[in-house]
Amino acid sequence: DAGVTQSPTHLIKTRGQQVTLRCSPKSGHDTVSWYQQALGQGPQFIFQYYEEEERQRGNFPDRFSGHQFPNYSSELNVNALLLGDSALYLCASSRISVADTQYFGPGTRLTVL
Amino acid sequence: ELKVEQNPLFLSMQEGKNYTIYCNYSTTSDRLYWYRQDPGKSLESLFVLLSNGAVKQEGRLMASLDTKARLSTLHITAAVHDLSATYFCAVDSMNRDDKIIFGKGTRLHILP
Repeated sequence: DAGVTQSPTHLIKTRGQQVTLRCSPKSGHDTVSWYQQALGQGPQFIFQYYEEEERQRGNFPDRFSGHQFPNYSSELNVNALLLGDSALYLCASSRISVADTQYFGPGTRLTVL
Repeated sequence: ELKVEQNPLFLSMQEGKNYTIYCNYSTTSDRLYWYRQDPGKSLESLFVLLSNGAVKQEGRLMASLDTKARLSTLHITAAVHDLSATYFCAVDSMNRDDKIIFGKGTRLHILP
């Protein structure tokens, strides 16, 4: 079992650019959640996808958007990047029907210059 | 709005000692999680607590949940250096309008 995988590992962008991060959930999982973790802070919930639809959303602007594909993998898109978007972006997967924990991927470190 | 508070935020302790990390939350919850994070790494799931009075133990770590007090504790017994990490609690109310909220984390440093 490969667990949750994310790509890329690291990314450097400049202000105003757009970025796409990718996540493949753990085998058997149908729900994907995205988090932003700034340095020294706890993860902040961005949104959660289930059945290819956004199920819940945190307090993030519309510049943050996502998508879930039929194979349950997911993308996080961020437009018009700001310096403050620099963070570790974590993807977590789970099963919607089970009182189970989320399993986190290794994360993508985004640096905006 | 669901709020989660952890204390202490930083803890330095000697090997062999016992200590407890506290996690308070502001509204009713269906699930409470504890995670460990090593520097530069992702989060590792430690425990998921689902009901009042739930207690789970793994090695030197034991987590408990009191839903009436809206309090969870993570107890460390006879600490060893390998337990040095940041520990997060997270609360999920399963209410569609609420989100999974993490505490700010407790940075634990165990001195040899």
